[in-house]
Amino acid sequence: EAGVTQSPTHLIKTRGQQATLRCSPISGHTSVYWYQQALGLGLQFLLWYDEGEERNRGNFPPRFSGRQFPNYSSELNVNALELEDSALYLCASSWDSTNSNQPQHFGDGTRLSIL
Amino acid sequence: GDSVTQMEGPVTLSEEAFLTINCTYTATGYPSLFWYVQYPGEGLQLLLKATKADDKGSNKGFEATYRKETTSFHLEKGSVQVSDSAVYFCALSDAGGTSYGKLTFGQGTILTVHP
Repeated sequence: EAGVTQSPTHLIKTRGQQATLRCSPISGHTSVYWYQQALGLGLQFLLWYDEGEERNRGNFPPRFSGRQFPNYSSELNVNALELEDSALYLCASSWDSTNSNQPQHFGDGTRLSIL
Repeated sequence: GDSVTQMEGPVTLSEEAFLTINCTYTATGYPSLFWYVQYPGEGLQLLLKATKADDKGSNKGFEATYRKETTSFHLEKGSVQVSDSAVYFCALSDAGGTSYGKLTFGQGTILTVHP
């Protein structure tokens, strides 16, 4: 079974640009989650998509946005990039978002570097 | 809101030593508890989980018991190996309120095992 796949592996941008990160969930999983892992700040919840809808959002500004496609893959868009957006962005998926017992399965992440 | 507190790291041990990484939590509902492990350059892998009080999760020689009375979920392993060197994250999932759908993580504990 293929795991959660993310692309690209690395992304280098400059301040003010826009970045798009992509995620494909495990087959059969309908929920996709995005997390930011910035150096020294641990893992912070960004967004949760389920069945194409945004279900919950973490404490991030509106320039962080995303969407989920009919095939359950997802994009995370970050506009007007700032230096502090440099981080590892992790995507996770699960198959039953209504059951908190179900673990989330993570991809290897996209390393976003802002110059 | 929900929170997870892990023992301060880093933790350095010799091979075959006993490992304990402390984790305590605060939650408004009845959370599920997880331990994830992150190897260098990789995403998070689910290590073990427990979904109700007194449940014991176990995997690859690691164990953790869900203690509701002490709101704890300490990770233990009887004999660590060099290959266990990684960052360990305690996390909770709580279906209530603003926590719905997201994992709340501890700050992570770096474990280094020397031969």
